[in-house]
Amino acid sequence: GENVEQHPSTLSVQEGDSAVIKCTYSDSASNYFPWYKQELGKGPQLIIDIRSNVGEKKDQRIAVTLNKTAKHFSLHITETQPEDSAVYFCAAPIISNDYKLSFGAGTTVTVRA
Amino acid sequence: DTGVSQNPRHKITKRGQNVTFRCDPISEHNRLYWYRQTLGQGPEFLTYFQNEAQLEKSRLLSDRFSAERPKGSFSTLEIQRTEQGDSAMYLCASSLGSRRRGEETQYFGPGTRLLVL
Repeated sequence: GENVEQHPSTLSVQEGDSAVIKCTYSDSASNYFPWYKQELGKGPQLIIDIRSNVGEKKDQRIAVTLNKTAKHFSLHITETQPEDSAVYFCAAPIISNDYKLSFGAGTTVTVRA
Repeated sequence: DTGVSQNPRHKITKRGQNVTFRCDPISEHNRLYWYRQTLGQGPEFLTYFQNEAQLEKSRLLSDRFSAERPKGSFSTLEIQRTEQGDSAMYLCASSLGSRRRGEETQYFGPGTRLLVL
């Protein structure tokens, strides 16, 4: 999507290993960074988000880190399980475009049993 | 279920026909968004409502597309004279409206998958 780049586009990990997805954004004024998980045939579901006043946030096996200086943020999934297999999207608001939320192109995560 | 709902979930139509999709947001949410998602891409913004007012339309929304939210509750998205390029997943999302729109959580519905033959 405009102004948000996401890498890698595909990621295959062994069950139990960690998965890391990175996103970069261009609008330095962006201050809210959600991550969505989308399973086949379903809409995106919010899994975690972070605001610019913190550098890291954790929720069980999922964590997000934010580096505002470098303008990038990352999703970390530890102890991956088969049910973590899905497409993951990052997003950031484009402040210069009336705070419109812009999405990355997605990362397809496959957890091998 | 108090989440965002969309109907129908799937729609197959012939080129040139009109289609209409419905979205019911989370009840206390005053913002409602429509997105389009094609295979291998993230959601792309189409339009958004604050209560019943349509405040922004993307340039992706040609004049064949129209959206309404007549009473500030459910919304409809109509596509007239459908083309094969309209085939996509159409997603609806809603948010509370307590912050600036890109700074608050948007909750998505399951989407309507459109196939134009």
